[in-house]
Amino acid sequence: EPEVTQTPSHQVTQMGQEVILRCVPISNHLYFYWYRQILGQKVEFLVSFYNNEISEKSEIFDDQFSVERPDGSNFTLKIRSTKLEDSAMYFCASRGRGGDTEAFFGQGTRLTVV
Amino acid sequence: GQNIDQPTEMTATEGAIVQINCTYQTSGFNGLFWYQQHAGEAPTFLSYNVLDGLEEKGRFSSFLSRSKGYSYLLLKELQMKDSASYLCAVNYGGSQGNLIFGKGTKLSVKP
Repeated sequence: EPEVTQTPSHQVTQMGQEVILRCVPISNHLYFYWYRQILGQKVEFLVSFYNNEISEKSEIFDDQFSVERPDGSNFTLKIRSTKLEDSAMYFCASRGRGGDTEAFFGQGTRLTVV
Repeated sequence: GQNIDQPTEMTATEGAIVQINCTYQTSGFNGLFWYQQHAGEAPTFLSYNVLDGLEEKGRFSSFLSRSKGYSYLLLKELQMKDSASYLCAVNYGGSQGNLIFGKGTKLSVKP
């Protein structure tokens, strides 16, 4: 069964450092997302990406965040200068077509900023 | 603003039936999803409702009333493995499919 894969599964970084979280969405999917979940809290939308551009971003997705689809398979989330409050589980998701289909989530990257 | 409410925790007995409610007020509505999330894992899709009524899928059913901004997830013949968080999520973003999630309901199934 096709799946969304994320690497690394865990990342520990020092405050102020840049991190890049990587995702390989399901191959024929068109819509890509990043969500995050701070420990014990709800899943929060960060950004959606379609047709090689950001289609929507939340208030959380400030100038420290960026996304790229550098080739036909990878979808990355970059945090330029990490803060302690960026510590969370980051989930990548993809969807085949419009909003009436389910989003498939990757297993997540647990980011710990120390 | 966007708001989705669900109970924080529920407890039920193995073999029983449990109903998890969700109410929502969102700027747009293009369907409601239920996801299951085991601790430390990714959400996995359970059901989707866009029209009023009941959708049944094995032991799981989901109901939607758009006029009331209300949905529920019904789990029958509970098993211990059903212990997990159940997330109600609304697609408010049209074709982009952006989801806003509730805080999740942590279900504990006891023997």
